[in-house]
Amino acid sequence: GENVEQHPSTLSVQEGDSAVIKCTYSDSASNYFPWYKQELGKRPQLIIDIRSNVGEKKDQRIAVTLNKTAKHFSLHITETQPEDSAVYFCAASNPGSSNTGKLIFGQGTTLQVKP
Amino acid sequence: SAVISQKPSRDICQRGTSLTIQCQVDSQVTMMFWYRQQPGQSLTLIATANQGSEATYESGFVIDKFPISRPNLTFSTLTVSNMSPEDSSIYLCSVQIRGRGYEQYFGPGTRLTVT
Repeated sequence: GENVEQHPSTLSVQEGDSAVIKCTYSDSASNYFPWYKQELGKRPQLIIDIRSNVGEKKDQRIAVTLNKTAKHFSLHITETQPEDSAVYFCAASNPGSSNTGKLIFGQGTTLQVKP
Repeated sequence: SAVISQKPSRDICQRGTSLTIQCQVDSQVTMMFWYRQQPGQSLTLIATANQGSEATYESGFVIDKFPISRPNLTFSTLTVSNMSPEDSSIYLCSVQIRGRGYEQYFGPGTRLTVT
């Protein structure tokens, strides 16, 4: 089955710097890759996603890139702010499979943005 | 956007007892899932809740321990049976909303502590 590896486990940056979180997946059939932000005590929130038919997607300060050949995808946050501090999870899915839509999550990255 | 509610939000239970968690959505749902998040860990899929039929369980999870019902499109229950301290976790339902493609949204979670 699918396996998702996420790095780094913790990341500390100065406010205004960029942050990059990387994930690799094992199942070449996976074709949907969402990213979630989870603040302490809150539910995971979908912040951006990408499908395998595109290589990059951007939403304001957040972007995701996908390299299907290498089976890895990355989250890029520019101009970080203290409110970006949270745990970020990547996930992979093959919605067209028999178990449509199930997400396999990476281990999570704790991002700390220092003022 | 859809409103996803879970009951109870938290509970403290004694070893050997069972707890049923409810998940209710106010929109048309295509897929429903149940995840577990142990303290400080990532999310692990327990099962896909299928409407009107038996749930599809992931490796390591069995129906006798985690019976799931989904009597209609917008409601599901997860029971944690014969609980032990190792079952202490946050249990989250997630849904795909009709018309929103592969996007998956989480409920607020149920924090379970087993003593």
